[in-house]
Amino acid sequence: KNEVEQSPQNLTAQEGEFITINCSYSVGISALHWLQQHPGGGIVSLFMLSSGKKKHGRLIATINIQEKHSSLHITASHPRDSAVYICAVSSNTGNQFYFGTGTSLTVIP
Amino acid sequence: NAGVTQTPKFQVLKTGQSMTLQCAQDMNHNSMYWYRQDPGMGLRLIYYSASEGTTDKGEVPNGYNVSRLNKREFSLRLESAAPSQTSVYFCASSARQLNQPQHFGDGTRLSIL
Repeated sequence: KNEVEQSPQNLTAQEGEFITINCSYSVGISALHWLQQHPGGGIVSLFMLSSGKKKHGRLIATINIQEKHSSLHITASHPRDSAVYICAVSSNTGNQFYFGTGTSLTVIP
Repeated sequence: NAGVTQTPKFQVLKTGQSMTLQCAQDMNHNSMYWYRQDPGMGLRLIYYSASEGTTDKGEVPNGYNVSRLNKREFSLRLESAAPSQTSVYFCASSARQLNQPQHFGDGTRLSIL
């Protein structure tokens, strides 16, 4: 049983396209995180949110607590956005942190 | 800005050997974590330390031990390595436990033959 499910698993887009990655979770959470993992392996935290919407540059993250769903949007995608995007949640019932398996994004010039 | 530093970056062990993965952070964070990442699976928490002097088991602690040496350093030890422990290991830290953005090290790629 996966507490965090992401879709799609793989995504290929043309440069400039608008991209959406989805995350659904089944546990009560105190926060949801979006992470980016580049081909070299390093992981960077993009967003942490518990309600509403956050924006950073061309990246937008939204969360719907009632539906237990979050989306990560990338506007005007660029080849440097190619990476694995990981959704993770911190449970509100204890010291647990659950990760999705990631969405592998490739942006073609 | 070093952030979270992991050593070594790569290691090959034989079954039964022991080793310690080192992790240090320079952000004065209270909480530190060890994860493993395997193909087709999400990151899984091995152990964490909510604050200096405390450690707790995560989802997959069997076969591992940890030491929070001081506020900066959190080490992961494999006492008797097994092929099932072949993985990429990530250390992370956050200002407080869990509900804060985590800062990750670059990972240690460990192969056990």
